[in-house]
Parts: sequence; C-alpha cells; structure tokens
Amino acid sequence: NAGVTQTPKFQVLKTGQSMTLQCAQDMNHNSMYWYRQDPGMGLRLIYYSASEGTTDKGEVPNGYNVSRLNKREFSLRLESAAPSQTSVYFCASRTGYGYTFGSGTRLTVV
Amino acid sequence: GIQVEQSPPDLILQEGANSTLRCNFSDSVNNLQWFHQNPWGQLINLFYIPSGTKQNGRLSATTVATERYSLLYISSSQTTDSGVYFCAVDPPGSNYKLTFGKGTLLTVNP
Repeated sequence: NAGVTQTPKFQVLKTGQSMTLQCAQDMNHNSMYWYRQDPGMGLRLIYYSASEGTTDKGEVPNGYNVSRLNKREFSLRLESAAPSQTSVYFCASRTGYGYTFGSGTRLTVV
Repeated sequence: GIQVEQSPPDLILQEGANSTLRCNFSDSVNNLQWFHQNPWGQLINLFYIPSGTKQNGRLSATTVATERYSLLYISSSQTTDSGVYFCAVDPPGSNYKLTFGKGTLLTVNP
C-alpha cells in the first residue's frame, strides 16, 4: 500500500550539476504530475503525463525534462541545476478526481 | 490563466474553536479540490467539490460556482488540524491540470 513513492527525499546539488528525481505509483493510475512548491507560492505544475508515452508542459517547465518510462514511473530531470530550482518537488497521480501525492523531494542548489 | 485567491493567509486558533477558510477563483471550473498539507509536508485530498456542500466529520465545504468561491469549515478544531490548506481548481479545457492557491496556514494551539 505504498501509493506514490519519491526518491530521494533530500538532495543538495551544485550549480550546473544534473540529477533525476524518481517517482513511482502502484495504484495503476494513468495520469501523473510533477509540481514544485516554493514558500508563499503554493504548488505550480511543471509537467503532466496523461498516460504512458505522453507528456505535456505545465506552468513552469523551463529547465526541466520528464520521462514517462512506463505506467508506474514518471521521472523529472534537471540537466543543469540553477539556484532558482531550489524547491520542494511533489509527484502526484490521479484517478477520476482523486489525487495522491508523494511525500516530496527537498532540493537545494548551491 | 485562472487566478485562485485564498484568505486569510494565516490563522491562529485555540483548540475547540471553529474557523472558515475562503477560496475565490476568477473563472468557471470543472473541478475544485481542498487539500491539507500537514506540518511534515504530506498533502492529503480533503474534498472534491465543484459545487454544493459536502461534510466529512468536523470538516465541511461549500462551493457556490455561480459566484466563484468555496468555503472550508473546520469545527471544534484540534492541534492535528494544523498545517496549510490549499484550494486547487481545474478550469475547462485544462485536462485535469490543477492550479493551486497560495494556501492558508492554520495553527491550532492546545
């Protein structure tokens, strides 16, 4: 009964480094999302995947790429990290109007 | 894009008090959701309520779609109600991509 699992939970990167945030869900949901949360800003959508093999940009996609590897997994990649990407990243999956969020990845770029 | 305004931004209560949180949105929506983010960062879906009234224990929500607002009521508050409450909407044509408000930070003191 894991729901949505995100790894890692914490990460510190140097400016210019790359990394991939992993997300997996075990609920057989078609739709998956990546959001970022910044202080005082609420959550903002980075990318969205309606189903395996499809992805769509959200409100703040610049500096990120995504891969929907299969129905379970949706990864977020930072090719060249910048301090402006310091944030808490949440992955979510959806069935109908029910959304399940992961516990988040706290990323700091120095 | 659609604007989502939540008020108040911060609220401090004594245990046992009641409260009302408000969400105003600037356009028609297919979907309106209330979420609770606990002090450890976990996001929990509280209500799917594009119109009408729903109740779940001490929490209830009302959305008046024609006037573009929603209210979340918390009665007999408990310290475990502390956290941030988010309103999120999905306008027609956005394909389930939620736009979040900035949230209301609720602190319930014992």
